[in-house]
Amino acid sequence: QKEVEQNSGPLSVPEGAIASLNCTYSDRGSQSFFWYRQYSGKSPELIMFIYSNGDKEDGRFTAQLNKASQYVSLLIRDSQPSDSATYLCAEPPGGSNYKLTFGKGTLLTVNP
Amino acid sequence: DTAVSQTPKYLVTQMGNDKSIKCEQNLGHDTMYWYKQDSKKFLKIMFSYNNKELIINETVPNRFSPKSPDKAHLNLHINSLELGDSAVYFCASSHSGADGNTIYFGEGSWLTVV
Repeated sequence: QKEVEQNSGPLSVPEGAIASLNCTYSDRGSQSFFWYRQYSGKSPELIMFIYSNGDKEDGRFTAQLNKASQYVSLLIRDSQPSDSATYLCAEPPGGSNYKLTFGKGTLLTVNP
Repeated sequence: DTAVSQTPKYLVTQMGNDKSIKCEQNLGHDTMYWYKQDSKKFLKIMFSYNNKELIINETVPNRFSPKSPDKAHLNLHINSLELGDSAVYFCASSHSGADGNTIYFGEGSWLTVV
């Protein structure tokens, strides 16, 4: 059974700071991960997909995957109040596994 | 154009009733899902269909019955509703091997059982 553990938070940062969100996972064979963002009352939306070791940057967002240590992280630079949401890391379906396995999410609040 | 659409968005019903939630996707995906998000915000998969075939059936009460008439539709019927069924139900879809198997979610159906 694949598991994705996420630091439960909640996390509060001031506007302009760096927010750091982390997940660990159980399956050494895991190849890739998603980060989803979910605003209150809305559905999850994909913001980052990382499938190789190292960093992937997209604007203010940087995803990091460390397969040796089995963790994946999301850094949000210059945090904005509009970044306030729950962030979910997820391991995508693959092979015979059709599930998208979610962590429990981290609630991020960016204070103006 | 709405990619994954589900109806109704809000549903308030009494215990013991039977209700259905419908889902349609126009993305041409071959896999569809039902996820449940409880009050603690944990997203948990319930069912998945690939090309109309049931491939994931998690530990869910028999009162929940999915039905996929074709690849673009996946409905969820719930019999004898209980208070604990109150949650947000998300339909989602993906395409095998495409786009990193990215899953796209519908807007959710807020079910309240009173």
